Amino acid sequence: GAGVSQSPSNKVTEKGKDVELRCDPISGHTALYWYRQSLGQGLEFLIYFQGNSAPDKSGLPSDRFSAERTGGSVSTLTIQRTQQEDSAVYLCASSLWGGGGGDTQYFGPGTRLTVL
Amino acid sequence: AQSVTQLDSQVPVFEEAPVELRCNYSSSVSVYLFWYVQYPNQGLQLLLKYLSGSTLVKGINGFEAEFNKSQTSFHLRKPSVHISDTAEYFCAVSVNGGATNKLIFGTGTLLAVQP
Repeated sequence: GAGVSQSPSNKVTEKGKDVELRCDPISGHTALYWYRQSLGQGLEFLIYFQGNSAPDKSGLPSDRFSAERTGGSVSTLTIQRTQQEDSAVYLCASSLWGGGGGDTQYFGPGTRLTVL
Repeated sequence: AQSVTQLDSQVPVFEEAPVELRCNYSSSVSVYLFWYVQYPNQGLQLLLKYLSGSTLVKGINGFEAEFNKSQTSFHLRKPSVHISDTAEYFCAVSVNGGATNKLIFGTGTLLAVQP
């Protein structure tokens, strides 16, 4: 079946602009995660959605970052007033249940964001 | 808080030789343990995971890992590597029974298989 898809695959933007990154999880998965992969910081958790529960936003690095998940499916990560340190690969993952059960997270191919 | 340490940033090995990639973790609560692989320009793929039960876990592509609670380790092994195993390998933990399933990753180990 279809895996997690992300768009765009690459995004180049100018400092100060806003960007939106999209994630389509695997159908039927109730949990969705965003991570960031950068040379300096490695792989970092950003935000987690599970069903209709309040999201866990504990990993968002600043208030310029926000995310929403509409209809329990597609998610959009928005970065406002981008800075050069936001340059990274943004990875989305989904899993069947979420919570603390250790279920497998399936990752998308990522969006490579470059801020000039 | 949880943390994961992968001491080896890069491991060079010859084809058909055995390999061990080391992972140690720190946590005051029970955790689940994972190994993910990332091939060049691709997303992360699960190799194997430990949730409970037998401490020796077998995964895809001939990899296995052993959970050692007393040493807080979860080292990854393969008895004979192939060129196609060249990739970056990430060890990760999540909290057992936690409110979320978020993964905390190590810094990764680049496995470079040479002919």
